[in-house]
Amino acid sequence: GQSLEQPSEVTAVEGAIVQINCTYQTSGFYGLSWYQQHDGGAPTFLSYNALDGLEETGRFSSFLSRSDSYGYLLLQELQMKDSASYFCAVSDSNYQLIWGAGTKLIIKP
Amino acid sequence: ETGVTQTPRHLVMGMTNKKSLKCEQHLGHNAMYWYKQSAKKPLELMFVYSLEERVENNSVPSRFSPECPNSSHLFLHLHTLQPEDSALYLCASSQDFLRGLFGWAGELFFGEGSRLTVL
Repeated sequence: GQSLEQPSEVTAVEGAIVQINCTYQTSGFYGLSWYQQHDGGAPTFLSYNALDGLEETGRFSSFLSRSDSYGYLLLQELQMKDSASYFCAVSDSNYQLIWGAGTKLIIKP
Repeated sequence: ETGVTQTPRHLVMGMTNKKSLKCEQHLGHNAMYWYKQSAKKPLELMFVYSLEERVENNSVPSRFSPECPNSSHLFLHLHTLQPEDSALYLCASSQDFLRGLFGWAGELFFGEGSRLTVL
């Protein structure tokens, strides 16, 4: 079957760096996306990797290794407002996204 | 503000009721989606519409009935639901299934969802 694995919960300290991993097993692969969802809020798109390597957008970076079926989201200089759930998702066809179950990021002062 | 508005935000209904969820997008997109979100589970795609035509129905029970009258509006009609249907229902839109050089970026714009409780 198709699946994405990511940790259910990660805890980090304000100002630190945290990495959220995602491994996937899908029948097709076009790219890996990351979304952020605050409690009670809408999931919002963060990044997309189609090629191997690191993509940086401000404090957030996303990495992909297609050969390892693995990616991660790196959050630097953590702020309390980064407390949220983070979802990885694989584009496996024209319109289909296969989702992970989400990682709840808890940030402590 | 994501440009996708869902109403109502909260809905409680009995198993014999009929209700509808509404979604409106102001982004000029031509693809719209219904997702079901349950705690600690991956998002489940329910329905996809592109240019107002249903493209995908992921084996969703017939007690859920979608309607897409135009590219800006999407409805989910609910009837004789079960308690296990209680969840957050998310609407999303995208600029069709634009396949650029690197495939579809999977950039969806979500509404804040309708929290459904079935008693």
